[in-house]
Amino acid sequence: RKEVEQDPGPFNVPEGATVAFNCTYSNSASQSFFWYRQDCRKEPKLLMSVYSSGNEDGRFTAQLNRASQYISLLIRDSKLSDSATYLCVVIAQGAQKLVFGQGTRLTINP
Amino acid sequence: GAGVSQSPRYKVAKRGQDVALRCDPISGHVSLFWYQQALGQGPEFLTYFQNEAQLDKSGLPSDRFFAERPEGSVSTLKIQRTQQEDSAVYLCASSLVFGTEAYEQYFGPGTRLTVT
Repeated sequence: RKEVEQDPGPFNVPEGATVAFNCTYSNSASQSFFWYRQDCRKEPKLLMSVYSSGNEDGRFTAQLNRASQYISLLIRDSKLSDSATYLCVVIAQGAQKLVFGQGTRLTINP
Repeated sequence: GAGVSQSPRYKVAKRGQDVALRCDPISGHVSLFWYQQALGQGPEFLTYFQNEAQLDKSGLPSDRFFAERPEGSVSTLKIQRTQQEDSAVYLCASSLVFGTEAYEQYFGPGTRLTVT
């Protein structure tokens, strides 16, 4: 079993729709959580950190459930430019390396 | 300012050849990481440096893989006797300081290695 699991998709949704991604992690010692975005043939870029209290950045909302070891990302009013692969990332306590999920591919259709 | 740069951007090697991949981190970034990304997968950790010290090499898949950062800035990932399973994108990332809260790692564009 992989340490971070995501539904690989692909998700195809119409512009303006709301879309949600989920991710589970197996290491209970994980202490930091992120969503990264990766465009086709580009490098990953940090989208947002994820906090236990939940956090929002514009149209994006991230939530963490430590008890269930579950992370989510919600995108509201999706735009064509949101088309990308979304990577769930965790860091274990005391570690520096990023542990990535497989990524969820999202395509927003006009 | 300048981001993380990597060279070459593309490399085709015949099976059995040695390759060297270079990473120039963001100036002043103490931490440097190498990741391997196979097609359709998320990046996987290979190794980590803090300045010139290699603190974690647990992700290197075999003793054919070797990384160095002798002066604490530029890093080289070397793969000896390349095999087809080494074909992947090799990503380098750097971050400002060990132990910062955000742990934000800035990635370079990657080197796409194809072993034929």
